[in-house]
This record gives sequence, C-alpha cells and structure tokens, in this order.
Amino acid sequence: KAGVTQTPRYLIKTRGQQVTLSCSPISGHRSVSWYQQTPGQGLQFLFEYFSETQRNKGNFPGRFSGRQFSNSRSEMNVSTLELGDSALYLCASSLGATYNEQFFGPGTRLTVL
Amino acid sequence: ELKVEQNPLFLSMQEGKNYTIYCNYSTTSDRLYWYRQDPGKSLESLFVLLSNGAVKQEGRLMASLDTKARLSTLHITAAVHDLSATYFCAVLDNAGNMLTFGGGTRLMVKP
Repeated sequence: KAGVTQTPRYLIKTRGQQVTLSCSPISGHRSVSWYQQTPGQGLQFLFEYFSETQRNKGNFPGRFSGRQFSNSRSEMNVSTLELGDSALYLCASSLGATYNEQFFGPGTRLTVL
Repeated sequence: ELKVEQNPLFLSMQEGKNYTIYCNYSTTSDRLYWYRQDPGKSLESLFVLLSNGAVKQEGRLMASLDTKARLSTLHITAAVHDLSATYFCAVLDNAGNMLTFGGGTRLMVKP
C-alpha cells in the first residue's frame, strides 16, 4: 500500500508570495491533517479535513488555508508569505474516525527568503 | 488547552546504557503516540498507547502509559548508535482529531 505523498518536497519562495502544497493520503483514508514544524515552535497542528470539510483548526492566522477534494487529496495554501513561515510542512492521513492512527508523509520543506 | 511536555530535551548517552524519556500532558486523553524522526525526515510511528497501564515493546524500546498520572515513558534498553534520532510523544486532543506534540527529545548515542 502506498504511503502518504507530498509535493513538492522542497520549495523556495520570497516574502509576499503565496504557495500551495499538496498531499495525497493513503488509499481509503478520508482524513488529512496538516502540521507545521519549526525549530522554535516545534510541531503544531494547522487543520484537519474530512470528507471535503474542515473539521478542526489550529491557532494559525487566516493566511493559512486548505481544502480537500472528493478523492481525499488535500492542498494547503499560504498567502503573503513571511520569513517565519519557513518550516517543514507535514501532512498526515487517517481513516477518519477520531481515534484512528495518523500516518505522516515525507513533508514539504518551505524556505521563505 | 492541552499541553504536552517532554524531558529531557536532549540526551547524550553511551552505547549499552539505559535511559527513560518522560512525557507529561495536562488534560485527559485516550490516546498517546510515540514517533521517531531522523534529521530531515518525516515522523515514523513507534507506538500507539490506548489505555491506562498499556505497555508496548519493540526491540530496545518500551513505552508505557499511566492515564491517571497523565504520564508516558519511553524506556531505552542497552542503547545502540542506530537509535540516535529525535523522539516525540503526541497526545490526541479529545476535543478533536488533532495531535498535540511534545517538544521532542534529541537522543544521541555515542559508541
């Protein structure tokens, strides 16, 4: 069974630009969660999508948004990039029930210059 | 708000020694996970702990959960260099399907 895939793996952007990251979950998984990892703040939950609806949201500004498609693939978008948005962005997929284990993708490393 | 604290944050140990990493959390939860992360890589699931008193072992690693004390431990037995990595505990927030992570323990095992 293929694991969670994320594209692109690496990305360099400049301040003020916007970026879209993509995540394809494990086949059959309906929930996709996004996390941001930085050296200073550690791993922080961004949001979770289930059946094309945002089900949970972390404490991030509105510049961070996401969506999920009918095939469960998810995208997250960050607008008006700031230097502090440089991070490893991880997505995780699960079957969808609250207690199902989450499986993480390889991550997208975003660098904002 | 759920808070998760791990200690120590950094651990340097000799091969063959034993040590324990601690994970405390602030509110009731029914699920606790341990992950391993190698530099530049994603998170690899190690253990899923589902109930009070749960104990799981894989090789030189053993994890346990005490939900009453809101404490989980990851015990390393006879460490080897290949265990060098950062270890995270994560607690499932009962309010939603989201994981709150500890700050991580960077483990360095020296030959």
